[in-house]
Amino acid sequence: AQRVTQPEKLLSVFKGAPVELKCNYSYSGSPELFWYVQYSRQRLQLLLRHISRESIKGFTADLNKGETSFHLKKPFAQEEDSAMYYCALRRRNMLTFGGGTRLMVKP
Amino acid sequence: DAGITQSPRHKVTETGTPVTLRCHQTENHRYMYWYRQDPGHGLRLIHYSYGVKDTDKGEVSDGYSVSRSKTEDFLLTLESATSSQTSVYFCAISEGGEGAREQFFGPGTRLTVL
Repeated sequence: AQRVTQPEKLLSVFKGAPVELKCNYSYSGSPELFWYVQYSRQRLQLLLRHISRESIKGFTADLNKGETSFHLKKPFAQEEDSAMYYCALRRRNMLTFGGGTRLMVKP
Repeated sequence: DAGITQSPRHKVTETGTPVTLRCHQTENHRYMYWYRQDPGHGLRLIHYSYGVKDTDKGEVSDGYSVSRSKTEDFLLTLESATSSQTSVYFCAISEGGEGAREQFFGPGTRLTVL
């Protein structure tokens, strides 16, 4: 069975500092991974997906199959990045989510 | 926001009472999902639907049932609510298939069972 682990429940950084939100997964097949974000009082929304290899709002995430990780990174955090972040693994039109990491960016 | 609404948005009920939550979409997407969100657990799939009258269980389906009689509506029912079902419930939709991987989420329903 697939599993997604986000080891940090809370990550607090200062504005301008680098950010790395960790995500590890276990899955026997070829993984398809996503990061979803939930800003305060907003809906959960897709941030980025590994197959697109894109950078959204300065965030990037690289799939490392050897380490079974999909960490989310941003070189310089902004206060508006404060939100709840969820890593998710897709299998047959279903998503398995990690427990989430709350990112707080302090001024 | 994708055309997804949930009703009610907030509900307080008592243990043992039946509760039905509604998800309505205007996107004509094939797949619909119900999740519950709890601190430390993230979102966990309760049930999902892959078409009218086609549903299946998710990770935490015990105590919940669903129905989908129309493409646009997906109902989640707690036959006899318990305090452990106090949570925030999210509906999501997806076109499904290999070409459409993203799920779009509704605004959530906060349910409190006293």
